[in-house]
Amino acid sequence: ILNVEQSPQSLHVQEGDSTNFTCSFPSSNFYALHWYRWETAKSPEALFVMTLNGDEKKKGRISATLNTKEGYSYLYIKGSQPEDSATYLCAFSLIFGQGTTLQVKP
Amino acid sequence: EADIYQTPRYLVIGTGKKITLECSQTMGHDKMYWYQQDPGMELHLIHYSYGVNSTEKGDLSSESTVSRIRTEHFPLTLESARPSHTSQYLCASSVAVDEQFFGPGTRLTVL
Repeated sequence: ILNVEQSPQSLHVQEGDSTNFTCSFPSSNFYALHWYRWETAKSPEALFVMTLNGDEKKKGRISATLNTKEGYSYLYIKGSQPEDSATYLCAFSLIFGQGTTLQVKP
Repeated sequence: EADIYQTPRYLVIGTGKKITLECSQTMGHDKMYWYQQDPGMELHLIHYSYGVNSTEKGDLSSESTVSRIRTEHFPLTLESARPSHTSQYLCASSVAVDEQFFGPGTRLTVL
């Protein structure tokens, strides 16, 4: 059974802080890793699709890196804003992690 | 914005009733998925379909059934609802195994 782990489970930061969280996944038979952002009362939305070892993707203040050999991906948020408050999910082969819930205080 | 719809958004129903949760997408995606999520827990895949007349069970055992008679429609049915079925059900679709587009979800409560 594939296991996708995310840490931490929740995070509280002040506006302007930079933060990062981790997704770990099985390193064998890698195809793609997905990051999603899920705001309260909305649907999960795709952030990044990571496919190559060493990949780094960026969207505004949010970026992600990928290490397929050791089975982890980091998501970074630079200068967090209250609108970044959401649950961030990673998914490997249709298996989702539990998510990291980020709360950014103004 | 993704064109994937779920109805109803909220449903409160008594034990033993038959219910169907609707999911439709207008993007022409071949692949569609149903996930179940209990509060504070992961999304668990319960059913998926890679095309018309193709359905498979996901990694989480579920008493629900699905059908895929049309590309755009992927309904989920519970023949006899029980309190243990109380959960949130999310439908999604994708092209190949690319990013998934999610519907707004159905929150089901079985009394």
